[in-house]
Amino acid sequence: GAVVSQHPSRVICKSGTSVKIECRSLDFQATTMFWYRQFPKQSLMLMATSNEGSKATYEQGVEKDKFLINHASLTLSTLTVTSAHPEDSSFYICSARDWTGSEYEQYFGPGTRLTVT
Amino acid sequence: GQQVMQIPQYQHVQEGEDFTTYCNSSTTLSNIQWYKQRPGGHPVFLIQLVKSGEVKKQKRLTFQFGEAKKNSSLHITATQTTDVGTYFCAGQGNQFYFGTGTSLTVIP
Repeated sequence: GAVVSQHPSRVICKSGTSVKIECRSLDFQATTMFWYRQFPKQSLMLMATSNEGSKATYEQGVEKDKFLINHASLTLSTLTVTSAHPEDSSFYICSARDWTGSEYEQYFGPGTRLTVT
Repeated sequence: GQQVMQIPQYQHVQEGEDFTTYCNSSTTLSNIQWYKQRPGGHPVFLIQLVKSGEVKKQKRLTFQFGEAKKNSSLHITATQTTDVGTYFCAGQGNQFYFGTGTSLTVIP
């Protein structure tokens, strides 16, 4: 199946700093990518939908000025957590949508573990 | 707000037994997807159902989408230890929601 990569896989940052996470579709072009966060032993929460060349669509309750999303190319979306705080510590996962010719399938990246100290 | 609930939350089965997880939405969904997440891993897409009453099979896995498009189920026949993981449904309503997940343990 299709491959989606994320970088970094783990990051530790100090409170007040910003962190950028990259999501890349390696063998297909993704006009749409999604960003999720997952708390330990809980389900995924969709944060935003990232569309190539346009502004991201944020889910209710997600601060767009805090979680900046950029989808500058068909294979790359970035999530920047600005002025990070300890409560932002979480597992962030991206996914990319691929058109198979008959339907869409979603492929998830391996995730990024963010720890804010 | 809209919620997608799954039951059971946890399930332990003996290897060879069948397993079913149920997904229920408070509102109608335009489609439903199923994912499997192994411990420490990321979700892997299994299947998407779109039509009312749709049934799809993948080897030992059978997926159903309810007639009212508000519920779905995943049934695994004769579980194997490789089936261990958390199974999530996810559906598109007025937003895209992941279900609460069912964690499956298979006892050899």
